[in-house]
Amino acid sequence: GDSVTQKEGLVTLTEGLPVMLNCTYQTIYSNAFLFWYVHYLNESPRLLLKSSTDNKRTEHQGFHATLHKSSSSFHLQKSSAQLSDSALYYCALQSSNTNKVVFGTGTRLQVLP
Amino acid sequence: NAGVIQTPRHKVTGKGQEATLWCEPISGHSAVFWYRQTIVQGLEFLTYFRNQAPIDDSGMPKERFSAQMPNQSHSTLKIQSTQPQDSAVYLCASSLEASTNSDYTFGSGTRLLVI
Repeated sequence: GDSVTQKEGLVTLTEGLPVMLNCTYQTIYSNAFLFWYVHYLNESPRLLLKSSTDNKRTEHQGFHATLHKSSSSFHLQKSSAQLSDSALYYCALQSSNTNKVVFGTGTRLQVLP
Repeated sequence: NAGVIQTPRHKVTGKGQEATLWCEPISGHSAVFWYRQTIVQGLEFLTYFRNQAPIDDSGMPKERFSAQMPNQSHSTLKIQSTQPQDSAVYLCASSLEASTNSDYTFGSGTRLLVI
């Protein structure tokens, strides 16, 4: 079945440094949608950005990601981390055979002053 | 629009007791999903409904978990004979339609603690 791998459980970095959260996925279907959801403390998880187009950069709120089907990756990046970016980030996959979204185990981003 | 509403926000139950969790999706959303959130597993799919009909319950532990959607305004997740390993945050989400590229709106979750 479909699966999403987020190898880093915790990423800690200093404010102002670039952010990169890794995400790889597995699916047998060619038409896959990839998502990044962000979960701030005491809030509900919400969609950050999404893509289904190969090699096209998607941006939202300073974050960006590019779906690379050749490597089955959808890494989340930001040029300069802010303290307010500290949260739990989930990469997720929705393939064409099902309507459910499969999530990774999440990466907690901790930005320090 | 109040968003997806989940009640209760917190529930503490003794081992072996029953727990019922409630979810009110966004009005007009046809798909409702239940997930369980833990540190180890992340967001784990449990089940989902489309237009109130159960579509996929492949993530549900078969013996003690059940979910229903008796009308378009609410869904329930029931856990019988709760065990400590059931302790988690249970999240409900709804989407406008159950199709690919349909964004989820999550509720705030119910934090269940089984002691």
